[in-house]
Amino acid sequence: NAGVTQTPKFRILKIGQSMTLQCTQDMNHNYMYWYRQDPGMGLKLIYYSVGAGITDKGEVPNGYNVSRSTTEDFPLRLELAAPSQTSVYFCASSHSYEQFFGPGTRLTVL
Amino acid sequence: AQSVTQLGSHVSVSEGALVLLRCNYSSSVPPYLFWYVQYPNQGLQLLLKYTSAATLVKGINGFEAEFKKSETSFHLTKPSAHMSDAAEYFCAVSDQNTDKLIFGTGTRLQVFP
Repeated sequence: NAGVTQTPKFRILKIGQSMTLQCTQDMNHNYMYWYRQDPGMGLKLIYYSVGAGITDKGEVPNGYNVSRSTTEDFPLRLELAAPSQTSVYFCASSHSYEQFFGPGTRLTVL
Repeated sequence: AQSVTQLGSHVSVSEGALVLLRCNYSSSVPPYLFWYVQYPNQGLQLLLKYTSAATLVKGINGFEAEFKKSETSFHLTKPSAHMSDAAEYFCAVSDQNTDKLIFGTGTRLQVFP
């Protein structure tokens, strides 16, 4: 039982490039989330999903897209990377109000 | 709308001293409240949660928190700090209709020998 896994751990992008952050959970949780964490700002919800095929915007969705074709996977897509998207990204899944977090992806956009 | 305020972005204590991390919430419906801990370069881990059962909640690593409705608070305490407690701590709130969490801005705990 690996829990929530995220790849890659680190990535440097140039402005305008695109990438997909991968997230997989093996706990059969319906709810999944993407957060970004910036120093002194806590965690902000980007997108979330209540089940396969259902996604919705969180607090800071601009510049991101998601899909949820299976229960296990919840990838986050950055289409045109901007310096403001430099952050640490966490994926989480939840059951009975407890969220389980992945180890994070540290993204730098230069 | 729900929100969480964590008073003090940094707290420093000596090893063996009391740890008190403050959290106040705002919610128009009965809240569920959580404390998460984040060690350096790791994801968040649940310490404890309040989901409308006992108001004094015990968590892992000797931490506990008390839900006080009259004060809209959910402060985290530990009687005796250990060096391994040094981390960032986040308070979070959700309502009973969703699993979505609203996080506070975090409190970094330093423990000195």
